[in-house]
This record gives sequence, structure tokens and C-alpha cells, in this order.
Amino acid sequence: DVKVTQSSRYLVKRTGEKVFLECVQDMDHENMFWYRQDPGLGLRLIYFSYDVKMKEKGDIPEGYSVSREKKERFSLILESASTNQTSMYLCASSLIIGRAYEQYFGPGTRLTVT
Amino acid sequence: AQTVTQSQPEMSVQEAETVTLSCTYDTSESDYYLFWYKQPPSRQMILVIRQEAYKQQNATENRFSVNFQKAAKSFSLKISDSQLGDAAMYFCAYSPNTGNQFYFGTGTSLTVIP
Repeated sequence: DVKVTQSSRYLVKRTGEKVFLECVQDMDHENMFWYRQDPGLGLRLIYFSYDVKMKEKGDIPEGYSVSREKKERFSLILESASTNQTSMYLCASSLIIGRAYEQYFGPGTRLTVT
Repeated sequence: AQTVTQSQPEMSVQEAETVTLSCTYDTSESDYYLFWYKQPPSRQMILVIRQEAYKQQNATENRFSVNFQKAAKSFSLKISDSQLGDAAMYFCAYSPNTGNQFYFGTGTSLTVIP
């Protein structure tokens, strides 16, 4: 079974802190994604990566950056956390670009910024 | 731009009955994929069913089936013989055949009444 893990289930940070959310997948998937999930808004794509060191902006990249130094790991960085970044963050992975296989999701990180 | 619309924020169904969740999407592409994902309360998002646009036959997975109407850009999910474990948030998603973008609807919260 594909396994996508996220470093924390719950996280509480203060405004202005730098926040790292880590995601690891164990199935050698090329594509990895970061979404945020808010009630009534569904899932919105922040960034995705189709290869090591490659990244593309999604729909809402402002205030976020990402890092992918190894194929299995994709990190989301909040450079200076703000209260409007309080949300559920979901990581996902999928197979190579060019084939729209389904995504496999991690359990999510519920981030609260106070 | 591709959009996915789920017009039913909440639905309920009696146990053992059938329920249909609606989804419409907008795209100018002819080759794409459609998905239904299930997110149980406090649990990981998992794939329920997938439809490839070039296939005219509707996908089925046990008690789950879809009604794919390509011309109408409609993709509804039918759950037969509903069970308590079907209670969850259901998301409809679209992906172009490049596999590097997934667009999600806002979700439908399904309650199963014993």
C-alpha cells in the first residue's frame, strides 16, 4: 500500500513564526502536492512538484514556499505565519506526469496560528 | 480555467437506501479524468472511484457507481445500500491527462441515518 505521512497531525504556532510542514511518501511517486482545505472552499492547491528540485505554483502560493531535495520528501514552508493561514494542510503524491493516476493523501496537518 | 462544482453541501440518506451526489465541471479539454474521493471524519482522504473521459462506460466499484455525462459535463456518484461507514465528506475532482493538476469541488457532507 502507498503510504503518505505528514510530520504532525496538529500544530500550533505564533504569528510571525517560520513553519515547516513535512511530507514523505514511500512509493517512488514523481508528483507531490500541497493543498489547504477550508470548510466551504474544498481543497485548494498551493504548490506541486513533478521532480526533485522542481516546483510549480498552484492556485494560492502567496505566503508559502516549498522544498523538494529528495524524491520522497516534499516540504511546505510558511515563511512568516499569519492567522489567515490557520487551516488543514494535506499532502498528496501521484505517479509520473503524463498519466493522471489518482492521488494518495496523507492524514493532514491541522495548523493553528495564534 | 477548469472548475468543479458540487451544489449539495450536505446530504443525508437512510441506511440501506440509495443516494446520489452531484458534480459538474467545466473544461475545454477532451481527454481528462474524474474522481470521487471520500474523507471520513478525522481520517485520511481515499479514492472511491475514477472515470476516464474517453471511456463511455460508467465506472463502478461495488456499491459505488457513477453517471458520467460528458456532453453535459456532469459526473454524479451513486451509493447503493448505504452503510454507516459511508458517512463522510465526498469530493469530486477533475484532472487533465497531464496528471499534474487536480481540481476539487467544495465537497458534500453525507450523513447516514440508522
